[in-house]
Amino acid sequence: DTGVSQDPRHKITKRGQNVTFRCDPISEHNRLYWYRQTLGQGPEFLTYFQNEAQLEKSRLLSDRFSAERPKGSFSTLEIQRTEQGDSAMYLCASSFTGGSPLHFGNGTRLTVT
Amino acid sequence: ILNVEQSPQSLHVQEGDSTNFTCSFPSSNFYALHWYRWETAKSPEALFVMTLNGDEKKKGRISATLNTKEGYSYLYIKGSQPEDSATYLCAFDAGGTSYGKLTFGQGTILTVHP
Repeated sequence: DTGVSQDPRHKITKRGQNVTFRCDPISEHNRLYWYRQTLGQGPEFLTYFQNEAQLEKSRLLSDRFSAERPKGSFSTLEIQRTEQGDSAMYLCASSFTGGSPLHFGNGTRLTVT
Repeated sequence: ILNVEQSPQSLHVQEGDSTNFTCSFPSSNFYALHWYRWETAKSPEALFVMTLNGDEKKKGRISATLNTKEGYSYLYIKGSQPEDSATYLCAFDAGGTSYGKLTFGQGTILTVHP
C-alpha cells in the first residue's frame, strides 16, 4: 500500500493561468474524491468518481473546474483562468467502495497571486 | 445543503486531561458518520466509521459514540498526550444515490500542552 499521492505539493500561479493537479489513488480503490479546504473550514466536496465514471460534481463549482479519471486509475483536476478565490488546499482521497473510510493524499496547496 | 457542525472550534488542554468534542448532523437520511484526525503537515487519517444508532467505537485512548435519532456524535480522548494535537474532523454520509460522498464539519483544533 503506497498510499494516495498528489502532485505537485505546492503550486503558485498568476491569476488567469490554468493549472492541473494529479492524484494517484491506492490501486485497488474504486472510488476517488476531490475536496478543497480553506483556512478555518473543513474539506468542501468538489467531485467524485466510481472507476472512470464521474458520479457528481458540486453545484458550487464553476465551469472553470473540470476533473477526469481516464481508465479508472489516476485523476486530474484542472482549473482554468484561476482567480484569487481559488487559493486553497486541494485534497484527493480514495476508498475501496462507497461507505469505506477515505484515504487522503497530502494535498496540493494552490496560491493564486 | 447539509449542515454538519463541530464544537468547540478549538480546545487547549494539559497533558493528562481527558477531553471530548461534539459533531452534530442531520438526523434524517443517515447512512454513516466518519471521524478523521488531521495532524499538521500530514494527510487526514480515518479514526472511525459509525453506522448504527448507539454505536460506540474505541481505538486506544480515543472513543466515539453515535446518536442518529438526535443527530450527534461525541469523540472522547482519555489522558490527552501532546501527540494527540491535531484537527479532528467529522463527516456525514447521507447515503442514497450519493452514498460515500462526505460532508465535513469545520473541525475541532486540539492542542495538548506538555
